[in-house]
Amino acid sequence: DTGVSQDPRHKITKRGQNVTFRCDPISEHNRLYWYRQTLGQGPEFLTYFQNEAQLEKSRLLSDRFSAERPKGSFSTLEIQRTEQGDSAMYLCASSPRPEHTDTQYFGPGTRLTVL
Amino acid sequence: AQTVTQSQPEMSVQEAETVTLSCTYDTSESDYYLFWYKQPPSRQMILVIRQEAYKQQNATENRFSVNFQKAAKSFSLKISDSQLGDAAMYFCAYRSAYDKIIFGKGTRLHILP
Repeated sequence: DTGVSQDPRHKITKRGQNVTFRCDPISEHNRLYWYRQTLGQGPEFLTYFQNEAQLEKSRLLSDRFSAERPKGSFSTLEIQRTEQGDSAMYLCASSPRPEHTDTQYFGPGTRLTVL
Repeated sequence: AQTVTQSQPEMSVQEAETVTLSCTYDTSESDYYLFWYKQPPSRQMILVIRQEAYKQQNATENRFSVNFQKAAKSFSLKISDSQLGDAAMYFCAYRSAYDKIIFGKGTRLHILP
């Protein structure tokens, strides 16, 4: 399967713990995006990368959140000192070229539950 | 800031019938792109159809078509010959030249057999 993959699919953690999610984009896709989706809402943009460079970060991305894409391939999203409000689906998407009309292909998401 | 509004939280349609999902957006930009994404229960989001703002012709993909009214900032999705597999959350989305996608809150579509 050559689609976007995310790991883990589900994560349950206690408040205050750190969690890390991984996203593997479609091979040779230059751009990689992270979104957060809470229940009953549409996805909200968090950040995106052009190869290994992080080009934009949303105001939603507090200092407890950090994202990396060290070699321009897979990406990780880390949340430190998790809070109950961090409970959401975290979606990753990738697109092949930095052109306006490129479609973003989404992964299945990682559902985070903070107890 | 750009916004996307979907005023129908839920809709139902009989199998084989036609249904239209509404979407309005607000922007001051002239160059942008509009999308409809489908998110089936517990499955990943997939693109249904997209429209470039500079194109006057409405996009069509098999049973899915849009009614793009640029002046009214309206972008509705019509699904013809509805099938059980069309049941999902549908998100209207806006993408500016700066690449960030802004999604609406979604419309849950139920298909009645």
